[in-house]
Amino acid sequence: DQQVKQNSPSLSVQEGRISILNCDYTNSMFDYFLWYKKYPAEGPTFLISISSIKDKNEDGRFTVFLNKSAKHLSLHIVPSQPGDSAVYFCAASGRSSGNTGKLIFGQGTTLQVKP
Amino acid sequence: DAGVTQSPTHLIKTRGQQVTLRCSPKSGHDTVSWYQQALGQGPQFIFQYYEEEERQRGNFPDRFSGHQFPNYSSELNVNALLLGDSALYLCASSPQGVRNYGYTFGSGTRLTVV
Repeated sequence: DQQVKQNSPSLSVQEGRISILNCDYTNSMFDYFLWYKKYPAEGPTFLISISSIKDKNEDGRFTVFLNKSAKHLSLHIVPSQPGDSAVYFCAASGRSSGNTGKLIFGQGTTLQVKP
Repeated sequence: DAGVTQSPTHLIKTRGQQVTLRCSPKSGHDTVSWYQQALGQGPQFIFQYYEEEERQRGNFPDRFSGHQFPNYSSELNVNALLLGDSALYLCASSPQGVRNYGYTFGSGTRLTVV
């Protein structure tokens, strides 16, 4: 049962353009969503997050949008830079009983930004 | 300031053997979580330790067990290894009470079962 899905395994964009990474979830109990970036041979690093009480959160070049009715979130990177090339994971956490902050991850999307 | 440290970085084991992976959390963090990342998949939650007790567990068999020491470091033990246990094992630490975004991940231990 894949509760968090990233349906695009890969994405390629030109430097300077916008990158849009998508994520869908099925569990309506999720109330916090995060994006992580992962380079090869490194652990995931936190990028940006959003609470379910918001529909947008912005941090520099990165913006996350949340559409609760569609159970969909997206990460926008503008402008994209070659150093953004990495695997991006969407993750969610819920307010179910006993949940101490366990994260449910999507499968990841590999972003390639071409110079 | 050292982040999360995991050892070893790579490990090869034979099916049926037992393995122990180690994690030292980031300074100031007292909660440790373990995740398994199979090839081409996202990390899957194994369990979380706080105050030397398992606080939450994911959908993993009892072959997977853990421990947290008084200095907050942690071990992940896997018994009776199966080929399917081959994966990257990630440790994440956080300050208790700082939910979710407080996680810092280590670089992981790559376990190969042959």
